Amino acid sequence: AQSVTQLGSHVSVSEGALVLLRCNYSSSVPPYLFWYVQYPNQGLQLLLKYTTGATLVKGINGFEAEFKKSETSFHLTKPSAHMSDAAEYFCAVSDHNYGQNFVFGPGTRLSVLP
Amino acid sequence: NAGVTQTPKFQVLKTGQSMTLQCAQDMNHNSMYWYRQDPGMGLRLIYYSASEGTTDKGEVPNGYNVSRLNKREFSLRLESAAPSQTSVYFCASSGQEKLFFGSGTQLSVL
Repeated sequence: AQSVTQLGSHVSVSEGALVLLRCNYSSSVPPYLFWYVQYPNQGLQLLLKYTTGATLVKGINGFEAEFKKSETSFHLTKPSAHMSDAAEYFCAVSDHNYGQNFVFGPGTRLSVLP
Repeated sequence: NAGVTQTPKFQVLKTGQSMTLQCAQDMNHNSMYWYRQDPGMGLRLIYYSASEGTTDKGEVPNGYNVSRLNKREFSLRLESAAPSQTSVYFCASSGQEKLFFGSGTQLSVL
């Protein structure tokens, strides 16, 4: 069975500071990995995904994540936080039947302080 | 460019009442899903439909039924609502190796 853990239910950073949101997964097969963002009162939007190939994945709004198989991690980073990045972020894992077996982490709420 | 459309956006029910959440997608996707979102628990899959005419249980199906009316529409029904079903519900469809989400339905059961 697949599972996802996200360290820290709430992370606060100052505007302009590095954003680091942690995600670790377990999967019995090579996983597909995703980060989704949810702005207040909205549905989830895909930030980035890893399926195969290059392990450093770039997404929208300046975010990127690196798949590290040895650490079973897929941490999300952004060099410089912006106020508009305040949202909830979900890491997710899927096997290659990605919809039916799409497992989400509990989420991390990111606050950006002026 | 509608994507996934859910109705209603908000609903308040009394315990024992029934209701149906509607979902439609215009992306010609085969697979559709219903999730519920609760604080600290991420999204949990209630039911999914891999194609028109098929439905399968997800992680938390008890108390819910679904209908895949056609390729576009996938509805979620609560036959006898309970306070434990107070949650935010999201419909999604899948394509291009990712999920596309509706904007959600906030349901309160009193």
